[in-house]
Amino acid sequence: DARVTQTPRDKVTEMGQEVTMRCQPILGHNTVFWYRQTMMQGLELLAYFRNRAPLDDSGMPKDRFSAEMPDATLATLKIQPSEPRDSAVYFCASALGVTPGTEAFFGQGTRLTVV
Amino acid sequence: AQTVTQSQPEMSVQEAETVTLSCTYDTSESNYYLFWYKQPPSRQMILVIRQEAYKQQNATENRFSVNFQKAAKSFSLKISDSQLGDTAMYFCAFMKHRGGSEKLVFGKGMKLTVNP
Repeated sequence: DARVTQTPRDKVTEMGQEVTMRCQPILGHNTVFWYRQTMMQGLELLAYFRNRAPLDDSGMPKDRFSAEMPDATLATLKIQPSEPRDSAVYFCASALGVTPGTEAFFGQGTRLTVV
Repeated sequence: AQTVTQSQPEMSVQEAETVTLSCTYDTSESNYYLFWYKQPPSRQMILVIRQEAYKQQNATENRFSVNFQKAAKSFSLKISDSQLGDTAMYFCAFMKHRGGSEKLVFGKGMKLTVNP
């Protein structure tokens, strides 16, 4: 059963702490996305990768957020230092980006609460 | 830039009834893809249906169908014979056709409740 796996499912942290969210894309998928979901802004793209190289990270606050793909089976999103306004659900999605319009498969998200 | 608008924040319907969720979008692209995603309380985003803009035929998937009006930039989702399991947030989304541009632009979502 191929699925995108995200850890942790929920995270509560104190302001100023570093937070790392992890994502295991579906095996063989070469495109990985990070989205953030909040009540006010809805779903926003933070960054996405093709073949582990960043294609677009324009939606990501550069001063505190960083996204990487150490290898094809792992994507990470780090926030340092975290702030209460970072509280949101963070989704990872993967796709086989060979042809346009390909379906993106989402993980169950990491709910981050910064207190 | 593309925008997607879902003007109805919330709807409710009785089980077995038909319901239509509306979505409009704005783009200067001629070829693109439109999607409806479902997000149940489990948080999982699940693809419901996909429409390719260059295809005139409306997409259907079992009880789910779309009414795609390209000139009006409208993309509504019809759910027939609604079931309790259809209770969820529904998101309309847009994707450019160009290769290397697979990112999705989402609407704000609509909460659908199916009542017994």
